[in-house]
This record gives sequence, C-alpha cells and structure tokens, in this order.
Amino acid sequence: ETGVTQSPTHLIKTRGQQVTLRCSSQSGHNTVSWYQQALGQGPQFIFQYYREEENGRGNFPPRFSGLQFPNYSSELNVNALELDDSALYLCASSPLAGGRETQYFGPGTRLLVL
Amino acid sequence: AQTVTQSQPEMSVQEAETVTLSCTYDTSENNYYLFWYKQPPSRQMILVIRQEAYKQQNATENRFSVNFQKAAKSFSLKISDSQLGDTAMYFCAFILINAGGTSYGKLTFGQGTILTVHP
Repeated sequence: ETGVTQSPTHLIKTRGQQVTLRCSSQSGHNTVSWYQQALGQGPQFIFQYYREEENGRGNFPPRFSGLQFPNYSSELNVNALELDDSALYLCASSPLAGGRETQYFGPGTRLLVL
Repeated sequence: AQTVTQSQPEMSVQEAETVTLSCTYDTSENNYYLFWYKQPPSRQMILVIRQEAYKQQNATENRFSVNFQKAAKSFSLKISDSQLGDTAMYFCAFILINAGGTSYGKLTFGQGTILTVHP
C-alpha cells in the first residue's frame, strides 16, 4: 500500500512569485487536507478537499487555493508569495470509509521564499 | 474556537523507562476525536494513537497508551519501555465531528513536545 506522497521535497522561490505543490493521496483515500507548519510550530490547517470541492478552510487568505482531481490527488497553489510563506507544507489524506476524521500525512514540501 | 495546549516544550527519558506527555484542550462541543502524532527529525508526521471522545475506555497501541479525562479536557500520552526510535516531536491534535458523523476537516494541533530518549 502506497502512502501519501508529495512533490517537490524542497523549493526555493522569490517574493511575488507563484508556486504549486502536489500531493497524491494514500490508496483507498478520497479526502485531502493541506497544512502549513512553521519551524518549531504545530501545523496550521489551510483547507480540505472532498469530492473535488473545498470542504473546509482555515484562516488563510484567498491567494492560497487548491484543486482536487478525480483520482483524489491534489494541488496547493500560492500566489504572490510572501517571506512569511516559508514553511513546511504538509498534505494529509483520509480514507473512504469512516467519517474522514483520521488523517495520514505525507513527508511534506519545504518552501523557502527569498 | 478550539485550542490545544501542550505545556511541556521538551522532555527527556532514559531508554526502557516510561514517560508521560501532557495535553489539554478546550472546546464547548461534545463530539470529537483526539490524536497523538509523532514527527521524527526526518519530518514525516506519523499517527501514534486515536481516541474517540464518546468512548470511556482509554486507547492503547502496543507501548503507547492515553489517559483521557473528558471532564478535565485532558489527554496525556504514556510511552512505556521507551526506545531510541521514539525520539521525536510529539503533537496532540483535536478534530470536531459534526452531527452527520463526519469531520469538519480541520485538525487543531498543539505546539508540540520534543521528546529525547537517551541510551
């Protein structure tokens, strides 16, 4: 069984640029959530996608957007990058069965904005 | 708003001994799940244990067990027979469950406790 995978592992961008991060959910999972984790902090919820639609959103501006595809994989897009966007971005997937309450995480993408 | 508090920024334990990590949470809701996640230095977040709030029995997973005190809103993690591989950042997390039995999607995390297991 393949776990949650994310690409790329590391990324360096400059302020004002746009970035796309990708996530493949674990086999048998249909829900994907995205989190931002600053160094030394707990992850902060960005949003969740279920059935290709945004299911819930945290306190992040609209320049953070996402997509979910029919194969349940997902993208996180961040426009107009700011220095404070430097963080580890985590993707998590939840299984088809059950209430989508248990989330399994990928290894993350480390984004550095200069 | 829901909050999760981990009051121990760092803990250390000798190999083979037992350690307990503390977590308190705040919510006015009655239906939720609680989790402990482990994030080793390689950074992949791993689910350690899960507790449904409606269950009175404390969850156990091998060497890991919890002490869930719903009235006190406390959810501590006990690691028995600590191993070097247990060295990691441990996060306590909380998710609300709606009336339909599904989650709202948002896991709320504490600030984490860095656990170091010494040989």
